[in-house]
Amino acid sequence: SYELTQPPSVSVSPGQTASITCSGDKLGYKYACWYQQKPRQSPVLVIYQDNKRPSGIPERFSGSNSGNTATLTISGTQAMDEADYYCQAWDSNTYVFGTGTKVTVL
Amino acid sequence: EVQLVESGGGLIQPGGSLRLSCAASGLTVSSNYMTWVRQAPGKGLEWVSVLYSGGNTYYVGSVKGRFTISRDNSKNTLYLQMNNLRPEDTAFYYCARDGYFGSGSALDYWGQGTLVTVSS
Repeated sequence: SYELTQPPSVSVSPGQTASITCSGDKLGYKYACWYQQKPRQSPVLVIYQDNKRPSGIPERFSGSNSGNTATLTISGTQAMDEADYYCQAWDSNTYVFGTGTKVTVL
Repeated sequence: EVQLVESGGGLIQPGGSLRLSCAASGLTVSSNYMTWVRQAPGKGLEWVSVLYSGGNTYYVGSVKGRFTISRDNSKNTLYLQMNNLRPEDTAFYYCARDGYFGSGSALDYWGQGTLVTVSS
């Protein structure tokens, strides 16, 4: 079965850039998306089709996908961005989630 | 405004059954690709099942033969029938709509989740 791997944690200072990677075999040939989940809340889609932002998602969230790695970048990170982030791709009629990354804003 | 509201969770003994419901407003369940995703307490997201608008269904391996996804068009509601429940099925269960299938897949609307606890 297809697997997506993320680093367990990323730390970033306020105003700096956070990058979260998502690795999977030939992931660049698929579309990747990203979700943000804050404690006791449902996930929120922040990036779809590798690099598109849904309405209402701040411009500081961006994405890329190439080779075996998709990346979510948060520019000018704010305290409110502290959350868990999950990548996701579709493969053979299954929705595959990444292992999740906890972003801490120090 | 789209709303997905799950219900039906609770405490159930191992081997028991539960049916989860996801009542939708602002979208038509039968016209969309609808999924169930679960999250064990303190753990990551795990996709459980999808019901395509055309009627095809797919499941994660660990629930095949035990869970059944379905919909009631007249009630605009998605269901997840869960049989022979195991302690490892304990999780928050979310329903979500795939708003981009055919060009990537991404779950753009999520319910608030319902907690299923399997324990004796």
